[in-house]
Amino acid sequence: EVQLVQSGGGVGQPGGSLRVSCAASGFSFNAYAMHWVRQAPGKGLEWVSVIGADGSGAYYARSVKGRFTISRDDSKNSLYLQMNSLRIEDTAFYYCAKEFGSGSSSWFDPWGQGTLVTVSS
Amino acid sequence: EIVLTQSPATLSLSPGERATLSCRASQSVSRDLAWYQQKPGQAPRLLIYDASNRATGIPARFSGSGSGTDFTLTISSLEPEDFAVYYCQQRSNWPPTFGQGTKVEIK
Repeated sequence: EVQLVQSGGGVGQPGGSLRVSCAASGFSFNAYAMHWVRQAPGKGLEWVSVIGADGSGAYYARSVKGRFTISRDDSKNSLYLQMNSLRIEDTAFYYCAKEFGSGSSSWFDPWGQGTLVTVSS
Repeated sequence: EIVLTQSPATLSLSPGERATLSCRASQSVSRDLAWYQQKPGQAPRLLIYDASNRATGIPARFSGSGSGTDFTLTISSLEPEDFAVYYCQQRSNWPPTFGQGTKVEIK
């Protein structure tokens, strides 16, 4: 069974840093691109970032570019999102998601359980 | 960036009724559209991809149609577990974007 189990996050201050992690199992992790998608409480979904299979390329939403860094450790079947220079508007549930199917589909399935990141002074 | 507009915002229906949800794109996305279901406190789940293909394990009562700028998700007969929020998502233009969601609630 494909599983994505998230950890990290929590409360951070404006201008501070936090990291969220995603541990994958049940599939060949190094063969798939992985994404982060976020959702402010009670709001809709916003794509955040993608990293290619084997770390081949990383792309970001304009809202986080230059502040967030996506990375992966294929030896640990793990995905990370390092969030720096946090802003109040970064407050959201952060979901990791596996790219669906083969190739570069940019469909997301399955998703991790979500991790709440709260930015507050 | 492509904007996806979903309608209606809320759909109030009874179990057994047919649900028709709409997603309109600000420019053509061909058939590069997916639908997701999200229940309270849960992560989204992929239902439909490439406009009309059901993802693994998705019941046949869910169907998707459309191309270009206008898309529809139909639930032929609502089951109690189908009451949730549904999002459309496009991948035709970078970055991927989502609609604002349609909530299907029990009437």
